[in-house]
Amino acid sequence: AQTVTQSQPEMSVQEAETVTLSCTYDTSESNYYLFWYKQPPSRQMILVIRQEAYKQQNATENRFSVNFQKAAKSFSLKISDSQLGDTAMYFCAFRRAQGAQKLVFGQGTRLTINP
Amino acid sequence: KAGVTQTPRYLIKTRGQQVTLSCSPISGHRSVSWYQQTPGQGLQFLFEYFSETQRNKGNFPGRFSGRQFSNSRSEMNVSTLELGDSALYLCASSFRTSGGADTQYFGPGTRLTVL
Repeated sequence: AQTVTQSQPEMSVQEAETVTLSCTYDTSESNYYLFWYKQPPSRQMILVIRQEAYKQQNATENRFSVNFQKAAKSFSLKISDSQLGDTAMYFCAFRRAQGAQKLVFGQGTRLTINP
Repeated sequence: KAGVTQTPRYLIKTRGQQVTLSCSPISGHRSVSWYQQTPGQGLQFLFEYFSETQRNKGNFPGRFSGRQFSNSRSEMNVSTLELGDSALYLCASSFRTSGGADTQYFGPGTRLTVL
């Protein structure tokens, strides 16, 4: 079974700073997808970024980028120029490439951006 | 395009009752997955429906069931409610291509409180 671990329960940074959230996972699959979702106080789960395991290039979406290390099974999220609206719970998630749409989530990191 | 919608947004029930939650996926999406979110257990996969058939099921008792209609709308039902069923229930939809390169998009959730 796959597991996802987020070792930082909480983080806090000042607005405009850069912050990196850590995620490690365990799987015997060779092809899979990794995601970062954010859940603001409204509780709406919002996709931040997605990475395909077969792609060596790290995914980027505006201020959000990942550092995907397949051999180390590590998938960290970097948020540049952090904004107050980035305050949220961030969840790392794993999904097998074929078949099941089941997402396996980490326990989450509560990120607070301070003015 | 309208997002995933869930109804109702809030529910209060008493132990022993049953409850039905509804989810309407994004137009064109054929797969609907359900997740339970609690402070103690985090986000856990309940089941996935695709083409009106349950495709995958998480580790939940038989009191949790669901179905999907021909228009891809899905309902989940919890019978004989227990206090531990209090949670945020999230629905996610995806297109579910044969290659598996799908992203799940989440609805706002239904907050169920069992008294």
